[in-house]
Amino acid sequence: KAGVTQTPRYLIKTRGQQVTLSCSPISGHRSVSWYQQTPGQGLQFLFEYFSETQRNKGNFPGRFSGRQFSNSRSEMNVSTLELGDSALYLCASSLDPAGGGDTQYFGPGTRLTVL
Amino acid sequence: EDQVTQSPEALRLQEGESSSLNCSYTVSGLRGLFWYRQDPGKGPEFLFTLYSAGEEKEKERLKATLTKKESFLHITAPKPEDSATYLCAVQARNYGQNFVFGPGTRLSVLP
Repeated sequence: KAGVTQTPRYLIKTRGQQVTLSCSPISGHRSVSWYQQTPGQGLQFLFEYFSETQRNKGNFPGRFSGRQFSNSRSEMNVSTLELGDSALYLCASSLDPAGGGDTQYFGPGTRLTVL
Repeated sequence: EDQVTQSPEALRLQEGESSSLNCSYTVSGLRGLFWYRQDPGKGPEFLFTLYSAGEEKEKERLKATLTKKESFLHITAPKPEDSATYLCAVQARNYGQNFVFGPGTRLSVLP
């Protein structure tokens, strides 16, 4: 079974630009979560989508947004990039069964560098 | 506020020298505690899920245990390929799919 895939793997942008990252979950997984990882802050939750609806959102500014498509694929967008947005952006998918904790499986990440 | 801390921050072991990593958590209603391994520049790789105090899971040289306030990842006779950052995360009952991650323990196993 193919794992979580993310594209592109690397991106270099300049301040003020916008960027779109893509994530394809494991087949059959309906929940997709996004995280930002930086050396100083570690892994921080951005948002989670299930059945094309944002169910949960972390403490990030409105410049960070996302969406999910009917095939569970997800995109996240960052507008008006700032230097501090340089990070590894990770996507994770899970089955989301009713009740109980649910394991998230991570993709390889997209390394975003803002110059 | 839900919080996860991990200790030590970094650990250097000789090959074959067993040790334990600690993950302490405060969460309002634990749904699950998760251990991941992360290599530099890569996404976290799933290791274990623990749901209730007293539960234990094993995989090769790794064994994870859970109490009401903390979890331990025991590494028995480690090899250099076990070198990585080990991350602990908790999922609370009222936070949906939101995982709260600890800062990680950076493990180096020297040959």
